[in-house]
Amino acid sequence: GQNIDQPTEMTATEGAIVQINCTYQTSGFNGLFWYQQHAGEAPTFLSYNVLDGLEEKGRFSSFLSRSKGYSYLLLKELQMKDSASYLCAVYEDTGFQKLVFGTGTRLLVSP
Amino acid sequence: SAVISQKPSRDICQRGTSLTIQCQVDSQVTMMFWYRQQPGQSLTLIATANQGSEATYESGFVIDKFPISRPNLTFSTLTVSNMSPEDSSIYLCSVEGAGVGYEQYFGPGTRLTVT
Repeated sequence: GQNIDQPTEMTATEGAIVQINCTYQTSGFNGLFWYQQHAGEAPTFLSYNVLDGLEEKGRFSSFLSRSKGYSYLLLKELQMKDSASYLCAVYEDTGFQKLVFGTGTRLLVSP
Repeated sequence: SAVISQKPSRDICQRGTSLTIQCQVDSQVTMMFWYRQQPGQSLTLIATANQGSEATYESGFVIDKFPISRPNLTFSTLTVSNMSPEDSSIYLCSVEGAGVGYEQYFGPGTRLTVT
């Protein structure tokens, strides 16, 4: 089975840095994704990690440690538009491939 | 990335009725996925639909309740049958990208309210 956990909610101020953690226990691990979802909209792809280490993409970075079953999404220079839900998702391949989503973290950025 | 459209965007239905949601992709894709997102919750996979084969359902979801069609490589439908208020949710379809990361692209979703 799968178990993917994230904090339910986080708050931060504009211009700050926030780290959203994700822990997972799953079989057939084949990569970890982060998605952003604004209220009332579809999720949009942010990042993908399959090897250990940090992937940087502009203001957003994502880190993965496969041995620890741990990932984080780092958002720098926060902007008001970053207020959204952030979904961690594990790509499982146990002979049948599928994406399993974590509980999601609602981030509120205040002025 | 793929462009995905869904119809209807929203609907209000009476309990006991059925609703068919359509998902159209602008390119041919092998795998299409149907998710449910209940209010304030994350996404739960309902089933995976490959063209030319029966859909594969996740635990807790059955074909009688959520029949799926996949007639070609650009289109799929999900029917929510014999609806109850507990089926009120957003239903999203998604497809896998062509890149090495297998990222999924999502349609805009169908917001269903059952009264």
